[in-house]
Amino acid sequence: GNSVTQMEGPVTLSEEAFLTINCTYTATGYPSLFWYVQYPGEGLQLLLKATKADDKGSNKGFEATYRKETTSFHLEKGSVQVSDSAVYFCALQTGANNLFFGTGTRLTVIP
Amino acid sequence: EAGVTQFPSHSVIEKGQTVTLRCDPISGHDNLYWYRRVMGKEIKFLLHFVKESKQDESGMPNNRFLAERTGGTYSTLKVQPAELEDSGVYFCASSQELRSDEQYFGPGTRLTVT
Repeated sequence: GNSVTQMEGPVTLSEEAFLTINCTYTATGYPSLFWYVQYPGEGLQLLLKATKADDKGSNKGFEATYRKETTSFHLEKGSVQVSDSAVYFCALQTGANNLFFGTGTRLTVIP
Repeated sequence: EAGVTQFPSHSVIEKGQTVTLRCDPISGHDNLYWYRRVMGKEIKFLLHFVKESKQDESGMPNNRFLAERTGGTYSTLKVQPAELEDSGVYFCASSQELRSDEQYFGPGTRLTVT
């Protein structure tokens, strides 16, 4: 079946620290992989995506590389800001149209 | 362009009562999805509409949940009768293409069943 396992939080970092949020997946077929972000009081927003192995998704300084050999899609950012405080969800999509999500990781960045 | 909207933002009801959640997708989006996040766990798929038809309802937990999308525009999700385990955040999403890379999510409805 399809499932996503992501690093449990919460994660608290100081501003300008390096961020890694781990995500691994199990899927039938060849999934597309996503990171969604939910800022306080808002809906989920697509942060970045990768549709095939070795693709790198990037947006707003965040990056994630689709690693088929390790079934991973870890989210990284070199220098986080207070405004990055949010809940981050790793997700996959296969032949069906619905998304399979991880449990979410809450990130808090302190000044 | 307006995003996906959901109403209400928060609902508190007693066990055994009925609640109806509403989702208005982005105009022109044929695909509408319902998801649910229970007690900080993963967000789980409930069902998918293409226009007014149910494309996939494999995630609906039981027959206390009824989703409709009359006319292929807004959708409602009714829970009747509500149970304690139904508490959580219900998200709606919409997309234009059938196999779309991006689903646009609403802010969610937080349902609390006491």
